[in-house]
Amino acid sequence: EPEVTQTPSHQVTQMGQEVILRCVPISNHLYFYWYRQILGQKVEFLVSFYNNEISEKSEIFDDQFSVERPDGSNFTLKIRSTKLEDSAMYFCASSAGQGSEQYFGPGTRLTVT
Amino acid sequence: EDQVTQSPEALRLQEGESSSLNCSYTVSGLRGLFWYRQDPGKGPEFLFTLYSAGEEKEKERLKATLTKKESFLHITAPKPEDSATYLCATFAPLSGGSYIPTFGRGTSLIVHP
Repeated sequence: EPEVTQTPSHQVTQMGQEVILRCVPISNHLYFYWYRQILGQKVEFLVSFYNNEISEKSEIFDDQFSVERPDGSNFTLKIRSTKLEDSAMYFCASSAGQGSEQYFGPGTRLTVT
Repeated sequence: EDQVTQSPEALRLQEGESSSLNCSYTVSGLRGLFWYRQDPGKGPEFLFTLYSAGEEKEKERLKATLTKKESFLHITAPKPEDSATYLCATFAPLSGGSYIPTFGRGTSLIVHP
């Protein structure tokens, strides 16, 4: 069964550093998403991506963040100048259609020290 | 104000003790109501999508229903392996007319053998 994969599973970085989180969405899906979940809190939408451009973004997704689809399979989230409060689980998801169910990856746990 | 509210926050059941989880929403023009299951440290796993009031969907011991203001996830004769956090989500409007995925805080279900 096709699944969304994410790497790394755990990333530790120092405050101020840049990190890149990687995702491989399900191959025939067209819509891609990033979410974050701070420990004990709800899943929060960051950004959606379709046709090689951002389609929606939340207030959280500011200039510190960027997304890219560098090739036909990978989808990345870059976080520049990380802060302690960026520590969270980051989930990638994909869907076949706009507004249809999303399939989530296992997440990357980002720890900023 | 949360646009998706789930109750209860936590629920403890004995194996075989049926119950229901509630998800109420305030968005108008529903663009789908989604239920997910999330195990600790994992990504959400898609369960159901509902689009219209009166719609019902079933999968094993779970049944999801939808009214104009809320959705219920009914769990019949639960087993310990049903223990997880159950999330509901929909699309909520941002200023400017766009819609973004919005999750509730979840109901943490523990089923005791």
